[in-house]
Amino acid sequence: DAGVIQSPRHEVTEMGQEVTLRCKPISGHDYLFWYRQTMMRGLELLIYFNNNVPIDDSGMPEDRFSAKMPNASFSTLKIQPSEPRDSAVYFCASTLGAGAGELFFGEGSRLTVL
Amino acid sequence: SQQGEEDPQALSIQEGENATMNCSYKTSINNLQWYRQNSGRGLVHLILIRSNEREKHSGRLRVTLDTSKKSSSLLITASRAADTASYFCATPSSGGSYIPTFGRGTSLIVHP
Repeated sequence: DAGVIQSPRHEVTEMGQEVTLRCKPISGHDYLFWYRQTMMRGLELLIYFNNNVPIDDSGMPEDRFSAKMPNASFSTLKIQPSEPRDSAVYFCASTLGAGAGELFFGEGSRLTVL
Repeated sequence: SQQGEEDPQALSIQEGENATMNCSYKTSINNLQWYRQNSGRGLVHLILIRSNEREKHSGRLRVTLDTSKKSSSLLITASRAADTASYFCATPSSGGSYIPTFGRGTSLIVHP
């Protein structure tokens, strides 16, 4: 399998612009997670899905952030409008089954908001 | 909610030496995982230890778990320059969702 695929790998945008990050999980995995990594806050869970349904979005910072999973092979994380404090590396991860088992991470999307 | 915290934050050693990193957590867990992250890359799973296990080995890695002290350690023996990376412990979040939550990690530098 190709692993979890994220795009873009790098994104530089200006404050106020819309940003869309994309993720393709490993085929057959039924859980998908979006994490954000910064030096200050470490790795934070933003939202996770089970069988394409959002289960817990309590980690989403504010209404400017939204995530969707229209099917089992695709998810998006959207920031609108973006702000400089959103600059971070955003990771998507997937796994099979519950129980806090092994997560498979993508390579991340590094976002810089000027 | 964040559970685990790694210690130390940074570790610098010479090639061939052993590296020990620790993880402390707050509430009862059913397992604990260790991950590695190379600079600019995603996290990669290293090892999972269950709450009924005290020690687990994988190659040059040794993980221990002390549930009475709510702590775990990761030992890398005979370190190599290629072991330079950040290492994270992950524990199931409190509240029953069992979603892995991560500490801030230990940054390990192995000098050749």
